[in-house]
Amino acid sequence: DTAVSQTPKYLVTQMGNDKSIKCEQNLGHDTMYWYKQDSKKFLKIMFSYNNKELIINETVPNRFSPKSPDKAHLNLHINSLELGDSAVYFCASSNEIYGYTFGSGTRLTVV
Amino acid sequence: RKEVEQDPGPFNVPEGATVAFNCTYSNSASQSFFWYRQDCRKEPKLLMSVYSSGNEDGRFTAQLNRASQYISLLIRDSKLSDSATYLCVVNENNFNKFYFGSGTKLNVKP
Repeated sequence: DTAVSQTPKYLVTQMGNDKSIKCEQNLGHDTMYWYKQDSKKFLKIMFSYNNKELIINETVPNRFSPKSPDKAHLNLHINSLELGDSAVYFCASSNEIYGYTFGSGTRLTVV
Repeated sequence: RKEVEQDPGPFNVPEGATVAFNCTYSNSASQSFFWYRQDCRKEPKLLMSVYSSGNEDGRFTAQLNRASQYISLLIRDSKLSDSATYLCVVNENNFNKFYFGSGTKLNVKP
C-alpha cells in the first residue's frame, strides 16, 4: 500500500489554466504538507495542515489554494498558472519522531 | 541566513571510499534531525534519524553536535548505488515544521 499518494504524476498545461493536484495519506499522520522543488532542486515548504487546519502558509501567491477535507487528504489548486510555477510538487505527511513521508511528486510543466 | 545549510557538492568519490557530509543549522532550539536521500526525479526518502548519541546503520553513521550546531553523515565503503543527493532536515518542534537543506550531491564512480 502506498503511504502517501499524489495524482497526477505529470501535468503539462498552458499558461492561464487552473489545475489541481490531489494527495492522500494512509499513515494516520496529523500533519500534511505541500512542498515545491524547483530546477535548482531546493525543497521549499508551501503549506502545512495539522488535522485539517492550516498552520503554515509560506508567502505563496494566493493563486495557490490548499484544501484539506479531512486529515488524510490535502489537495492543491492552482489558478492562472504561470511559467514560473513549473516545478515538482511534493505532498508529504509527518510525525515528529519519524519525520516525513513523501509522495512520489507531481511534475508540473507550464507552457 | 538559511535555517539549514549544506555544501551542494558534488562530491565525486571512487567506489570503496569513505565520504562525509556536514550540515549546519541556525536554531539552537531545534529538536529533531534527519538525513534524507533523494534519487534523480524521485521523492526524498528517510535515510536515518540523527540522535544525540549518534547512530549507525550499516555503512552509514550520523552524528549530532549541538554545541556547534551541525549534523554529519559518514558513508563508509561507498557503493555505486549510494550516488544520490543527501538532504539534511531539521525540526524546530513547531507544529511539525521541518527545514530542508538544499542537499549535497554524491557521485560514486567505478
